[in-house]
Amino acid sequence: DGGITQSPKYLFRKEGQNVTLSCEQNLNHDAMYWYRQDPGQGLRLIYYSQIVNDFQKGDIAEGYSVSREKKESFPLTVTSAQKNPTAFYLCASSIRYDRVGNQPQHFGDGTRLSIL
Amino acid sequence: SQQGEEDPQALSIQEGENATMNCSYKTSINNLQWYRQNSGRGLVHLILIRSNEREKHSGRLRVTLDTSKKSSSLLITASRAADTASYFCATDGDRGSTLGRLYFGRGTQLTVWP
Repeated sequence: DGGITQSPKYLFRKEGQNVTLSCEQNLNHDAMYWYRQDPGQGLRLIYYSQIVNDFQKGDIAEGYSVSREKKESFPLTVTSAQKNPTAFYLCASSIRYDRVGNQPQHFGDGTRLSIL
Repeated sequence: SQQGEEDPQALSIQEGENATMNCSYKTSINNLQWYRQNSGRGLVHLILIRSNEREKHSGRLRVTLDTSKKSSSLLITASRAADTASYFCATDGDRGSTLGRLYFGRGTQLTVWP
């Protein structure tokens, strides 16, 4: 079955520690996205990538980093510079936008990150 | 901000009733999308309506779009307890700098009681 897989489901971070969240898709999608969701809030875009070896900052990129070395993979690192990392992180992928606009996004089931 | 805003924030109804959620946005768009999120899960795409469309149906879902008012509505007919979830609208932008990303609202939490 095609889909998008996030791991781990739960992650705990110690003070001063970097952690990396995994996102893998086998949908052959060019575009991938990382969102942060806080309780009762909508989705805020952290980073997105329309093609391999290229990515753009979203609205809340500070304290986060990404790489896009392979089409299938878009890992997110939450660095120690992110002072309030406790949140639910969602990864998504889509066909690249075309002349009629952005395409539907397919989401993973998220990683819940907490501070120890 | 181009973020869509859903209204109401929360909606509680009985099974069999219809549920209507609204979305307003600020800038011109190419399309508007509706998503559903069950508690603790990822979002699932429900329906996409293009800026030149006024109404679209998918099963028990009906979406309308009024670009002059910059608003959309999602109607779920004959709701079921399994429809309990958060519903989000998302808009794209029609300008080069915003292509490739969506702007999500804060969502409407729908609770359907058996």
